[in-house]
Amino acid sequence: DTGVSQDPRHKITKRGQNVTFRCDPISEHNRLYWYRQTLGQGPEFLTYFQNEAQLEKSRLLSDRFSAERPKGSFSTLEIQRTEQGDSAMYLCASSPPSGTYNEQFFGPGTRLTVL
Amino acid sequence: GQQVMQIPQYQHVQEGEDFTTYCNSSTTLSNIQWYKQRPGGHPVFLIQLVKSGEVKKQKRLTFQFGEAKKNSSLHITATQTTDVGTYFCARNTGNQFYFGTGTSLTVIP
Repeated sequence: DTGVSQDPRHKITKRGQNVTFRCDPISEHNRLYWYRQTLGQGPEFLTYFQNEAQLEKSRLLSDRFSAERPKGSFSTLEIQRTEQGDSAMYLCASSPPSGTYNEQFFGPGTRLTVL
Repeated sequence: GQQVMQIPQYQHVQEGEDFTTYCNSSTTLSNIQWYKQRPGGHPVFLIQLVKSGEVKKQKRLTFQFGEAKKNSSLHITATQTTDVGTYFCARNTGNQFYFGTGTSLTVIP
């Protein structure tokens, strides 16, 4: 399968713990996005990478959230000191090199539950 | 702001009926994208509209971009049970994408 993959698919953690999620984009895609989605809402933009550079970050994003894409391939999203309000589906998406077409290919997501 | 508003939030239709969802912005859009998310699934790209007044068709789906590039619509003709899901429009400012709240479509067999 050559689609976007995410790991783990589910994560249950206790409040205050740190969690890290991984996203493997489609291999030739240099653009990578992280989103958060809660029930009944559309995906909420978190951050954007072009290759290894983090070029965009939501101003609403808490400093407890950090993302990396060290070699311009896979990416990780870490949440420190998790809170119950962090419970959501975390989606990763990738796109091919920039052009007029902005199609994003989404992964299956990581569902986070903070107890 | 950056949000796009979608209406209706929910729509129940009898199989075979038509369905339309609308996406509205207070500011001019450079383009608009549409995605479909099946229950329990992830968003899947459907189409991108770029030109003022553009109309694109995909089988039973018709997508329109308003002349002023502030609104868009998705129309499904003769819905089928496979059309069930939530339809999102999305706008972008640079590389930040803003999704609407979606229209959840239920098709009653």
